Amino acid sequence: TQLLEQSPQFLSIQEGENLTVYCNSSSVFSSLQWYRQEPGEGPVLLVTVVTGGEVKKLKRLTFQFGDARKDSSLHITAAQPGDTGLYLCAGVGVYNFNKFYFGSGTKLNVKP
Amino acid sequence: DSGVTQTPKHLITATGQRVTLRCSPRSGDLSVYWYQQSLDQGLQFLIQYYNGEERAKGNILERFSAQQFPDLHSELNLSSLELGDSALYFCASSVGAGEYNEQFFGPGTRLTVL
Repeated sequence: TQLLEQSPQFLSIQEGENLTVYCNSSSVFSSLQWYRQEPGEGPVLLVTVVTGGEVKKLKRLTFQFGDARKDSSLHITAAQPGDTGLYLCAGVGVYNFNKFYFGSGTKLNVKP
Repeated sequence: DSGVTQTPKHLITATGQRVTLRCSPRSGDLSVYWYQQSLDQGLQFLIQYYNGEERAKGNILERFSAQQFPDLHSELNLSSLELGDSALYFCASSVGAGEYNEQFFGPGTRLTVL
């Protein structure tokens, strides 16, 4: 079982639509990271959120860390085909900052 | 290209065998992390080394072991292989240790156990 649950598991949308991916846990994390992974490659870090309630924006992507530091969301505005990929959240352990707990991922497909 | 190299890219072996996966971190990075990615369980953290010392351990089986050498490259040894060990194994590196250090992932080694 995963410590972090991501939803939805799969998402197929048309170019221009908005979407939100959720990352939930019953555990508290020191911080939370979001990665994007393309087929045949390793994950690439998008953002790290550290403070409960923190919101970070990267162009069309908005990341939020829950107040209790147990959950996070990723919102994409006006999705583009280049956003297609596997989105992974990863929580950093409170007691060991070197332990990373990954969610099972959300596979996003943006159709032109 | 992240700068992290992993060899081999693909590995096919039989149950009961032993294999070694190799990782060379980015130049200047002292930390190496190992992850296992399978279809049904996502990405699982296995173990982390910093400058030759083990710093964190995740869901690593007793049949698996790793080490980081003085030149900072790392090896992950998998023994008594089972069908369920088939997965993608990723190595990542970072400059330091801890959550604020960005991890750069290698391209992975795909292990198939028959």
